[in-house]
Amino acid sequence: AQSVTQPDIHITVSEGASLELRCNYSYGATPYLFWYVQSPGQGLQLLLKYFSGDTLVQGIKGFEAEFKRSQSSFNLRKPSVHWSDAAEYFCAVAPSGVTGGGNKLTFGTGTQLKVEL
Amino acid sequence: NAGVMQNPRHLVRRRGQEARLRCSPMKGHSHVYWYRQLPEEGLKFMVYLQKENIIDESGMPKERFSAEFPKEGPSILRIQQVVRGDSAAYFCASSSRTGINQPQHFGDGTRLSIL
Repeated sequence: AQSVTQPDIHITVSEGASLELRCNYSYGATPYLFWYVQSPGQGLQLLLKYFSGDTLVQGIKGFEAEFKRSQSSFNLRKPSVHWSDAAEYFCAVAPSGVTGGGNKLTFGTGTQLKVEL
Repeated sequence: NAGVMQNPRHLVRRRGQEARLRCSPMKGHSHVYWYRQLPEEGLKFMVYLQKENIIDESGMPKERFSAEFPKEGPSILRIQQVVRGDSAAYFCASSSRTGINQPQHFGDGTRLSIL
């Protein structure tokens, strides 16, 4: 069964500093990979996704993520964090190839980002 | 608002009562997913439905939980005889078709509290 590990429960960075959120997955093949952001009391917003091809993917709000097959990782990065980036970030995987229908997501437990001004 | 609409946003029930959570997918979307988020945890898949069909319910608890997506109207997640452990945020997501190129769009969730 597939699984996702986000080893950092909480991360605090200063505004303007760079950010890297870690994500490791376990899956028999290369899955489809996603990063979502959740603001308090709200649903999840898709930041970016990786299906195939270029291993560095660009997303919204200045975020990017790099897929590293050898490390089974899909870390999220941002060069300069803004105070409005404070939120919870979830890494998720979906099985590659449509088997029975649908692409249910398996989520990590999330990383809570705090931004210090 | 053309996004995924969930209601109510907050629902309080006493133990033993029934909870009904509603989800209206985005316009043009016929695929609905339900996820549950327990405190301090990530979202966990519960069920995937298309209009009038349950496609994958592998994440649904065996008892007390049911889901439907009728031809007309919203998708409903129903929890009978609620217990304290059902307290969680329940999120609905929708997509236009099956296929990984169709990302899931999430609603703002229903926060269920059991007294």
